[in-house]
Amino acid sequence: LAKTTQPISMDSYEGQEVNITCSHNNIATNDYITWYQQFPSQGPRFIIQGYKTKVTNEVASLFIPADRKSSTLSLPRVSLSDTAVYYCLVGFHNAGNNRKLIWGLGTSLAVNP
Amino acid sequence: DAEITQSPRHKITETGRQVTLACHQTWNHNNMFWYRQDLGHGLRLIHYSYGVHDTNKGEVSDGYSVSRSNTEDLPLTLESAASSQTSVYFCASSPTMTENTEAFFGQGTRLTVV
Repeated sequence: LAKTTQPISMDSYEGQEVNITCSHNNIATNDYITWYQQFPSQGPRFIIQGYKTKVTNEVASLFIPADRKSSTLSLPRVSLSDTAVYYCLVGFHNAGNNRKLIWGLGTSLAVNP
Repeated sequence: DAEITQSPRHKITETGRQVTLACHQTWNHNNMFWYRQDLGHGLRLIHYSYGVHDTNKGEVSDGYSVSRSNTEDLPLTLESAASSQTSVYFCASSPTMTENTEAFFGQGTRLTVV
């Protein structure tokens, strides 16, 4: 059964770099990997998206190895406001070749002073 | 600024009642989605639409329906509310065909069925 796997929780301190890894076996050839951030009582918010190698924007970097079976979201120099749940999102083709989108269960990141 | 809004933000209803949750977006996106979010399950897709008069079932569509009469709105209806439908519901829209792209989410509706 195809699924994504993320750590349930992580702790960090202000100013540190945080890396969150998502495992996604059986990722489809044409699927992108997308990460979202969610604060309490709010909808998820797009952070970054990539297909392979490395993508960087103003808030994060995304590292994807050649086999694409995992991805790592990197948050540089986190602050207290980065405390949130982070979701990894990829698409799968199941046994019947029907497309199904799988959200991970999310990683709850706590940034401490 | 363009936005996506959901109403109501909170709703309590009784088992067996019909409930409609509203979703309105001003992005002019063709694609809209409804998700539910429950502890231990992450976000699960209920229904989605790729344009006016188009609707499709997601992975947890039983007991829910949607209709798309214009670009801006995708209301979600619970035909006969059940306690298992107590959840937080999110509406989203995106400019591309698949939901695996940058989507813009509403603030959510917390529904309690008693």
